[in-house]
Amino acid sequence: SQKIEQNSEALNIQEGKTATLTCNYTNYSPAYLQWYRQDPGRGPVFLLLIRENEKEKRKERLKVTFDTTLKQSLFHITASQPADSATYLCALEDSGNTPLVFGKGTRLSVIA
Amino acid sequence: DTGVSQDPRHKITKRGQNVTFRCDPISEHNRLYWYRQTLGQGPEFLTYFQNEAQLEKSRLLSDRFSAERPKGSFSTLEIQRTEQGDSAMYLCASSLSGPHGYGYTFGSGTRLTVV
Repeated sequence: SQKIEQNSEALNIQEGKTATLTCNYTNYSPAYLQWYRQDPGRGPVFLLLIRENEKEKRKERLKVTFDTTLKQSLFHITASQPADSATYLCALEDSGNTPLVFGKGTRLSVIA
Repeated sequence: DTGVSQDPRHKITKRGQNVTFRCDPISEHNRLYWYRQTLGQGPEFLTYFQNEAQLEKSRLLSDRFSAERPKGSFSTLEIQRTEQGDSAMYLCASSLSGPHGYGYTFGSGTRLTVV
């Protein structure tokens, strides 16, 4: 069966450290993989998109990697701040221009 | 453009009643999606439109759910004969379509509570 798994429900880290979130998938052939941030009671906000032929993408303090052999994406936030505390969702678009399928998310707490 | 708007933000209804939600997407976006999200879960796909055509509907979607997008602009999602299990956040998103891939812009959602 098809699955998207994000490594943990919750992750606590100290301010200033690098947060690393993991997204693994099974039985998909994603053309794209995306990361979103969601705050309580709000809709997800798009952060980054990485294509199947790209290994890494950066945006300010954010970095995403995509390994189609391991079927895994890693999402890094460097120099984390309490304002980065939120739920981060991994989503993928399977081949064929299909709607995004989302993981359950990882709730990140950055402690000052 | 102010982004994706959803109305209402909150809806409390009695079991068995019908409810309708509205979504106004970003005007340049030709795709519109409906998702449902419950506590601790990621958004679950319901259906999507490209312009006014409904291209896909989740197999998990009950016949009590129907969506429209007349004229390819705003969209409505109707739930008939609501059940307590329908209680969730209903999210609308819009995007462009094309070979390069685009992020979705989500609205703030409509929180439905069925009592």
